[in-house]
Amino acid sequence: ILNVEQSPQSLHVQEGDSTNFTCSFPSSNFYALHWYRWETAKSPEALFVMTLNGDEKKKGRISATLNTKEGYSYLYIKGSQPEDSATYLCARGSNYKLTFGKGTLLTVNP
Amino acid sequence: GAGVSQSPRYKVAKRGQDVALRCDPISGHVSLFWYQQALGQGPEFLTYFQNEAQLDKSGLPSDRFFAERPEGSVSTLKIQRTQQEDSAVYLCASSFLTTSGGETQYFGPGTRLLVL
Repeated sequence: ILNVEQSPQSLHVQEGDSTNFTCSFPSSNFYALHWYRWETAKSPEALFVMTLNGDEKKKGRISATLNTKEGYSYLYIKGSQPEDSATYLCARGSNYKLTFGKGTLLTVNP
Repeated sequence: GAGVSQSPRYKVAKRGQDVALRCDPISGHVSLFWYQQALGQGPEFLTYFQNEAQLDKSGLPSDRFFAERPEGSVSTLKIQRTQQEDSAVYLCASSFLTTSGGETQYFGPGTRLLVL
């Protein structure tokens, strides 16, 4: 992996479904992995910063895990709600700058 | 408290026009970043300030792009002689002090620039 990659590109789920998506990144010289949620017409909102292999973080119904050795992170949303509809961005942090993936667009249908 | 603000939120420019995009960071934040998000892409790093010093401008696409932060707070990104490929969302972010990449960056809502 040379760049930060996210999959799937987009996802449609029904209200109440649980879902997850993936962020893959170069594992060499790893420092930090960031997750952001970006709703239309709003500012990207920071969800998590993760630095340690095996890290798990949780914020309400959203959680994330990190595997720095193999270079991936998973974001989980339990019991999706329409207000979870947004683009979820991950970014690799290194030497102060963030390198972003293209994001996963999540649509939750009521 | 107040977050990062950007103005204008939308800007339509004719090709060849100069534009100036403003960013007001969170008060007290030392580090300030500009990112560019083209359609269908993730945000890409443009430049980084620590106080008034521009420490990295390696991401600026051409010499038509210029950023400044003269008093270490408000920043302006200027694009001269705009081209259609400059059409993008320009995001500003600030953090208390970023040195390693592990500190949270707080983003503004972006300026959507359309060059016709």
